[in-house]
Amino acid sequence: DGGITQSPKYLFRKEGQNVTLSCEQNLNHDAMYWYRQDPGQGLRLIYYSQIVNDFQKGDIAEGYSVSREKKESFPLTVTSAQKNPTAFYLCASSITGINEKLFFGSGTQLSVL
Amino acid sequence: AQKVTQAQTEISVVEKEDVTLDCVYETRDTTYYLFWYKQPPSGELVFLIRRNSFDEQNEISGRYSWNFQKSTSSFNFTITASQVVDSAVYFCALSEARRDDKIIFGKGTRLHILP
Repeated sequence: DGGITQSPKYLFRKEGQNVTLSCEQNLNHDAMYWYRQDPGQGLRLIYYSQIVNDFQKGDIAEGYSVSREKKESFPLTVTSAQKNPTAFYLCASSITGINEKLFFGSGTQLSVL
Repeated sequence: AQKVTQAQTEISVVEKEDVTLDCVYETRDTTYYLFWYKQPPSGELVFLIRRNSFDEQNEISGRYSWNFQKSTSSFNFTITASQVVDSAVYFCALSEARRDDKIIFGKGTRLHILP
């Protein structure tokens, strides 16, 4: 079945540590996105990529980094510069752009130890 | 500026009742898209509907229906004869055709369907 796979489902970060969240899709979609969800809040865009080897910052990119070396993969690194990383992270994709239906992964819950 | 307001933070209804989730949006664009997504307890958002600004026809899909009114900038979602499986958080969202980067999500409405 085609879809988006996020791993791990739960992740714990120690202070000063960088952690990487995985996002893989086999939908052959060009565009991929990372969102952060805090309790009782809507989704906020961290980074997005519309083509391989290119990506742009979203509204809350500080303390995060991404890469898009392959069409299928869009990993997100939460760096030690992100002082409040505890949140639910969702990866999404669409065929070409943001005005289309988004397909979401099942999310990663990141917590700080 | 883009804005999506879901004023109902949480709603509880008894199974088989009808329930309407409100969504009010703001945009300066004439061409835009409105969406509804469902987030069940598993966490994954599931697409429900996409509507463009030129199509004001109401839509019905099974027990789900949507009422789009440009005059009041609203895109409300009604579940008829609710079921326990409808319990989830529902998000309304807005994107503008002139922008390729931004979709604005409302804060969501948590719906509890009580057996």
